[in-house]
Amino acid sequence: NAGVTQTPKFQVLKTGQSMTLQCAQDMNHEYMSWYRQDPGMGLRLIHYSVGAGITDQGEVPNGYNVSRSTTEDFPLRLLSAAPSQTSVYFCASRGSSRPNQPQHFGDGTRLSIL
Amino acid sequence: GEDVEQSLFLSVREGDSSVINCTYTDSSSTYLYWYKQEPGAGLQLLTYIFSNMDMKQDQRLTVLLNKKDKHLSLRIADTQTGDSAIYFCAETNTGTASKLTFGTGTRLQVTL
Repeated sequence: NAGVTQTPKFQVLKTGQSMTLQCAQDMNHEYMSWYRQDPGMGLRLIHYSVGAGITDQGEVPNGYNVSRSTTEDFPLRLLSAAPSQTSVYFCASRGSSRPNQPQHFGDGTRLSIL
Repeated sequence: GEDVEQSLFLSVREGDSSVINCTYTDSSSTYLYWYKQEPGAGLQLLTYIFSNMDMKQDQRLTVLLNKKDKHLSLRIADTQTGDSAIYFCAETNTGTASKLTFGTGTRLQVTL
């Protein structure tokens, strides 16, 4: 009963490096989202997807790219990492657009940019 | 844009009631949620309330909504040490059902 799986759990990068954070869900959910969590700022939406092939920007999209080639996977790419992207990243999925459908969260990826 | 605010910290004694408060600005909010985050983990949905309700009770949890004042609260009865966590308030509206706006989170510390 995996739910939402994020990899890696921890990562340290140097400024300018690129990396992809992986997110996979096995619940056949259409909706998937990426958030970043910073101290004192709660969770902020980076990008989201309402289905395979469809993505859109959230509140803080700059510096991040996403794609959704399958229902199961929603990777987040940092093309040129910056120290301001040091954060904890959460992927979430939900089954439908109905607001009473809860989001299921992964356990997070803790990313440090030096 | 939408804004959701919470106090950062709350300390209560085991066995007492905890009340965590949240205010929001979006008058078109339709659903409001409470999530719990334990250390090193993702967020777990605790409960939610539809905007046409004033109160919802679920075991030890009571959610109160004052739509006029845009104020939401979560009451935890008989607080236990296992309730120590960060609690997030979040809202969505019908027009942006795929997006949630989260508050900053309230860290609840339960002391013996």
